[in-house]
Amino acid sequence: GQQVMQIPQYQHVQEGEDFTTYCNSSTTLSNIQWYKQRPGGHPVFLIQLVKSGEVKKQKRLTFQFGEAKKNSSLHITATQTTDVGTYFCAGLWSKLTFGTGTQLKVEL
Amino acid sequence: SAVISQKPSRDICQRGTSLTIQCQVDSQVTMMFWYRQQPGQSLTLIATANQGSEATYESGFVIDKFPISRPNLTFSTLTVSNMSPEDSSIYLCSVIHTGNTEAFFGQGTRLTVV
Repeated sequence: GQQVMQIPQYQHVQEGEDFTTYCNSSTTLSNIQWYKQRPGGHPVFLIQLVKSGEVKKQKRLTFQFGEAKKNSSLHITATQTTDVGTYFCAGLWSKLTFGTGTQLKVEL
Repeated sequence: SAVISQKPSRDICQRGTSLTIQCQVDSQVTMMFWYRQQPGQSLTLIATANQGSEATYESGFVIDKFPISRPNLTFSTLTVSNMSPEDSSIYLCSVIHTGNTEAFFGQGTRLTVV
């Protein structure tokens, strides 16, 4: 079956540092979605990427879809404490398959 | 977006008993799903709740253990039957609107089986 792996599993950064999480699929994706889950909360949709090589930005967050549509990345510039949480990518085939997630901790 | 009401938010249950979790959406949606999330882990899809017919279960999940109902387009229930401590987890309801692909989640039900 389809698998979606993310690295790193955990990341601790100092506030103001950048952060990147990488998402890799075992097969080509029709689209990739990103979600954020705050501690104790539920996943919240961030963005969807559909086109090969697509890049989208949301303020300090930059999302990229690989040319082969098998990988994606989320980059956060100058992290803040409000960025704390777990970031999941999710690949869409016939159903959403969530990646393993990257837990981000931001220290002052 | 969608407003999803999921209840109970948490429960502590005795092994061998059953718990039914309810999910109510504020608008008609095409697809409703039930996920399980172990602490610190990713989301695992249990099943797709089909309106007016039997749910579609993922590998490793069976109807006898996780019966699901979806009597209409805005409501679904998931029952965790004959619970054991291994069933302790967070259970999440999710919906996708017609014509869209992004998923919206309920607040989750934190289940502890003792």
